[in-house]
Amino acid sequence: EAQVTQNPRYLITVTGKKLTVTCSQNMNHEYMSWYRQDPGLGLRQIYYSMNVEVTDKGDVPEGYKVSRKEKRNFPLILESPSPNQTSLYFCASSLIPGRVNTEAFFGQGTRLTVV
Amino acid sequence: QKEVEQNSGPLSVPEGAIASLNCTYSDRVSQSFFWYRQYSGKSPELIMSIYSNGDKEDGRFTAQLNKASQYVSLLIRDSQPSDSATYLCAVMVERDDKIIFGKGTRLHILP
Repeated sequence: EAQVTQNPRYLITVTGKKLTVTCSQNMNHEYMSWYRQDPGLGLRQIYYSMNVEVTDKGDVPEGYKVSRKEKRNFPLILESPSPNQTSLYFCASSLIPGRVNTEAFFGQGTRLTVV
Repeated sequence: QKEVEQNSGPLSVPEGAIASLNCTYSDRVSQSFFWYRQYSGKSPELIMSIYSNGDKEDGRFTAQLNKASQYVSLLIRDSQPSDSATYLCAVMVERDDKIIFGKGTRLHILP
């Protein structure tokens, strides 16, 4: 089954404690991205990756890091989480934008609370 | 700044009626257009994609695209309570590396 898998689904952590949210896809998609979703603000892109070892900042990259060492994995790293990073996070993958059928497939979401 | 605009709603529609959701976008070279449905606390799921001007029908759903007016819409016929959700419009621009999402329209189907 084609899917994007995020872990964990729920996470409560304390300010400053480094954490990683994992994302894996089994569709051989080149393009992967991370979004955060907050009430009234919609989906905002944090980082994206066009392929292995190629990553770029989205609209709200501050406080986040990513890596793309393998095509299927795209972890999101919060080196020193702060309460304003409390949000619902989604990982998504797709074919490279510019081709037909570039719809994004989303993971189940990770609800992060930083206290 | 490329933008995708949607009315936030809520849009209330009686069960069995047609729900009409609208989206406008700012970039004229936008190429691909998507409608996602998102239930509260869940991930967005693709329900329609459209790439050329005109209508595209899939079951109870019809997407309509007018590139000259920079407008894309989603019609839901015979609305059901299970259609109550937030609908996200998304636009992909050929020369960019991003799919840009609108903030979504909340749809409420009244039983």
